[in-house]
Amino acid sequence: EAGVAQSPRYKIIEKRQSVAFWCNPISGHATLYWYQQILGQGPKLLIQFQNNGVVDDSQLPKDRFSAERLKGVDSTLKIQPAKLEDSAVYLCASSLSRGNTGELFFGEGSRLTVL
Amino acid sequence: DQQVKQNSPSLSVQEGRISILNCDYTNSMFDYFLWYKKYPAEGPTFLISISSIKDKNEDGRFTVFLNKSAKHLSLHIVPSQPGDSAVYFCAASAQRTGNQFYFGTGTSLTVIP
Repeated sequence: EAGVAQSPRYKIIEKRQSVAFWCNPISGHATLYWYQQILGQGPKLLIQFQNNGVVDDSQLPKDRFSAERLKGVDSTLKIQPAKLEDSAVYLCASSLSRGNTGELFFGEGSRLTVL
Repeated sequence: DQQVKQNSPSLSVQEGRISILNCDYTNSMFDYFLWYKKYPAEGPTFLISISSIKDKNEDGRFTVFLNKSAKHLSLHIVPSQPGDSAVYFCAASAQRTGNQFYFGTGTSLTVIP
C-alpha cells in the first residue's frame, strides 16, 4: 500500500514570496490533515478535510495560508506571502475515519525555510 | 495553550533496559491517546493507542499506561533497542466531540548499545 506522498521535500524562499505544497493521501482515506511543525515543537493542525469539505480550519492563518482538496483526493497548501515565522515542516496526514479515531498516516513532510 | 505536554525533551537509556516516556494533558475531555515515533527526515509513524475506557494497552515491547485521574500517560519500551532511538510524540483527542488531535512537543530517546 502506497503511503502519503508529499512534494516538494525541501523549499527555500525569501520572505514575501509564495510557496505551494502538494499532498496525495492514501487511497480511500476520506480525511486529510495539514500540520505545521516548527522546530522543537509538536505538530499543530492547520486544516482538516473530510472528502473535499473543510472540517476544521480554526488554526489556519487565513490572511496568508490557503488550502484546497480537489475532488476529495489530492490537496495543496499555499502560503502567500511567506513570513520568517512560517519556517517549519509541513506534514500532510490522512486517515480512514472522520471522528478522530484510529491512527493518522503521515507523509515525510515538506521542509520550508523562509529567509 | 499547550494541552498536551511532554516535559522531558530527551532521554538516554542503555540497550536492554526499560525506557519510560511520559506525557501529561490538561483537557479532561480527551478520551483517546496515541503515541507516534519519528525518525529524522521522516514523517511520524503510529506506534500504539489507548482509549480512556482502558488503563493499559500492550503491543509487543510497547505498553501504554493511562492514569485518568492524574491526566497522565506513559509509554514503556521493554527491552529498549538501538533502533528505538527516535523522537516520540504523544497525541490526544476528544472523540465524542470529534476534535482534532493535539500533539506534545516530543521526547528524543537515545538507546545506547
